Amino acid sequence: ETGVTQTPRHLVMGMTNKKSLKCEQHLGHNAMYWYKQSAKKPLELMFVYNFKEQTENNSVPSRFSPECPNSSHLFLHLHTLQPEDSALYLCASSQESSGSWAAKNIQYFGAGTRLSVL
Amino acid sequence: AQSVTQLGSHVSVSEGALVLLRCNYSSSVPPYLFWYVQYPNQGLQLLLKYTSAATLVKGINGFEAEFKKSETSFHLTKPSAHMSDAAEYFCAVTPSGSSASKIIFGSGTRLSIRP
Repeated sequence: ETGVTQTPRHLVMGMTNKKSLKCEQHLGHNAMYWYKQSAKKPLELMFVYNFKEQTENNSVPSRFSPECPNSSHLFLHLHTLQPEDSALYLCASSQESSGSWAAKNIQYFGAGTRLSVL
Repeated sequence: AQSVTQLGSHVSVSEGALVLLRCNYSSSVPPYLFWYVQYPNQGLQLLLKYTSAATLVKGINGFEAEFKKSETSFHLTKPSAHMSDAAEYFCAVTPSGSSASKIIFGSGTRLSIRP
């Protein structure tokens, strides 16, 4: 099992659909992240969860709703999306406490979910 | 405030040639610096990191980067390019000792390798 697993790998949805992206990490980390990666744009941090608590929300529209039921799982619930929301959504995790300095600051990424909104 | 600037959104080199990907940073405190690589249809993978120890950092797959404070640079190099090096490369910065959530990524440089 790879460190960070994202499902599905590809998703096509209409603007009125509701879908969810799933991320699972098998690294024992306590922080998880959602990023949006669009063509020709820098990686955009969307949400950060630390010990299951949301610590950052970078002005993300409410049509994106994160959920972190435990330190190993992270979801991104999607509803009434727009075509400009089409992108690669990446999940990452990191160890934010009790690790050595060398282990901190490093994020481990999943392979992403390629989302197309029609 | 921190930022990273990657010069050149696309770099193309011949197989066997030197690879040089440029990154300049701006940070008001001592930074940690990273290079990540993203192969097609995959997530980002850590290539190497600088955390205030040796200024010349060696990473995976023969890549290395040198931290130059006077030039505020952290360029990535590889002596001889291989076809498998074709990917997107991201430079990133965070204040030393801070949480990984404070990391700032550059806009990326796509590396192409010509046969």
